[in-house]
Amino acid sequence: QVQLVQSGAEVTKPGASVKVSCKTSGYTFTGYHIHWVRQAPGQGLEWVGSVNPYSGGTEYAQKFRGRIILTRDTSISTAYMELTGLRSDDTATYYCATEGGVPSVPYFDYWGQGTLVTVSS
Amino acid sequence: SYVLTQPPSVSVAPGQTARLTCGGSNIESKSVNWYRQTPGQAPVLVLCDNSDRPSGIPERFSGSNSGNTATLTISRVEAGDEAAYYCQVWESTSDHPGVFGGGTKLTVL
Repeated sequence: QVQLVQSGAEVTKPGASVKVSCKTSGYTFTGYHIHWVRQAPGQGLEWVGSVNPYSGGTEYAQKFRGRIILTRDTSISTAYMELTGLRSDDTATYYCATEGGVPSVPYFDYWGQGTLVTVSS
Repeated sequence: SYVLTQPPSVSVAPGQTARLTCGGSNIESKSVNWYRQTPGQAPVLVLCDNSDRPSGIPERFSGSNSGNTATLTISRVEAGDEAAYYCQVWESTSDHPGVFGGGTKLTVL
């Protein structure tokens, strides 16, 4: 069965960087984009960006451009999200999710368990 | 960027029908997806492409999309349906293509 297992919670300081991993199994890793979605405490869902595991191509929400780097390691079926220049309002649970549907109208069908990133001085 | 509007809360008695709306400009031209999220858990896809149910989602969950409003309908509501529900679309021409509504908290009375 499809599984996405994310790395553990992180506590970090303003201005620092954080890198979250998303290890996948149960499907062909290079066949489906991986998306990242975040959720601030008590708030709704926010799309962050996506990576094409086959090509390494990325797409980022404009508000994160310049601060976010999405990568993947096909040898271990794992995607990564690195966020730099952290601010207190980056405190959130970050989810990875696989893309379903066709590329022009994707949905997110399998999700990781989430990784809480806390930014605090 | 494209905006999706959901009412913050909806309440319904067990056994009744819940209708959760998602408003957006000419949303009928888009493919709307719906997710359910309970506290402390990851979202779960409950409807895709307006009305298709993924494997394991009960037939009580159905969807429609017309004009400026998409609707998730939950028939014969159960206590276990209590959760936050989010609609989502993909705006491929936008600088923020992945768009979620603000979410609706469904309370089962």
